[in-house]
Amino acid sequence: ELKVEQNPLFLSMQEGKNYTIYCNYSTTSDRLYWYRQDPGKSLESLFVLLSNGAVKQEGRLMASLDTKARLSTLHITAAVHDLSATYFCAVAPHSGGGADGLTFGKGTHLIIQP
Amino acid sequence: DAGVIQSPRHEVTEMGQEVTLRCKPISGHDYLFWYRQTMMRGLELLIYFNNNVPIDDSGMPEDRFSAKMPNASFSTLKIQPSEPRDSAVYFCASSLARVLLSSGNTIYFGEGSWLTVV
Repeated sequence: ELKVEQNPLFLSMQEGKNYTIYCNYSTTSDRLYWYRQDPGKSLESLFVLLSNGAVKQEGRLMASLDTKARLSTLHITAAVHDLSATYFCAVAPHSGGGADGLTFGKGTHLIIQP
Repeated sequence: DAGVIQSPRHEVTEMGQEVTLRCKPISGHDYLFWYRQTMMRGLELLIYFNNNVPIDDSGMPEDRFSAKMPNASFSTLKIQPSEPRDSAVYFCASSLARVLLSSGNTIYFGEGSWLTVV
């Protein structure tokens, strides 16, 4: 059974600081997703990481994937209040690009304070 | 594109009643997924379809839950009879075919149906 673990689950940080969210998964996969969810809202896709060493950046967020370590990171640079949300990583259970349902981590509830 | 459309957005029902949640996937998408989100269990995959055919329903919690996809543009998730522990947000999501997912396309989520069973 595929397990996806995120840490930390809760994070309170100040504006302007940097931090990293970690996502570990238990079985081989080469497709990893990061989603953002605002309270009471749907999930918004942030990044899709497809291969070992993949790095993607959008604004103050940067995601990377190490398939050998089964680890992805979401790095926040110079945080701003608008980035407050819950961030989920999700892993496809089969290597090779299958469209099977994703397994999600528990999410990281991020609060950025002025 | 209108995105994945779900209805109702909110429903409050009494224990024992039948609940039907509806989903219209993004036009042209081959895969449709139903997820449930609760504080305790997070996001759980209930069932998914490929070209209207159920592929994996191992996440459906009990026989009280059933899902159908009669055509490419419509799916339902039914709970009969409903119980208070079914209270959750139910998300429908859709995506393109397998080969395009390998190219980096993502899975798109609807706004969710907030279900409260009292």
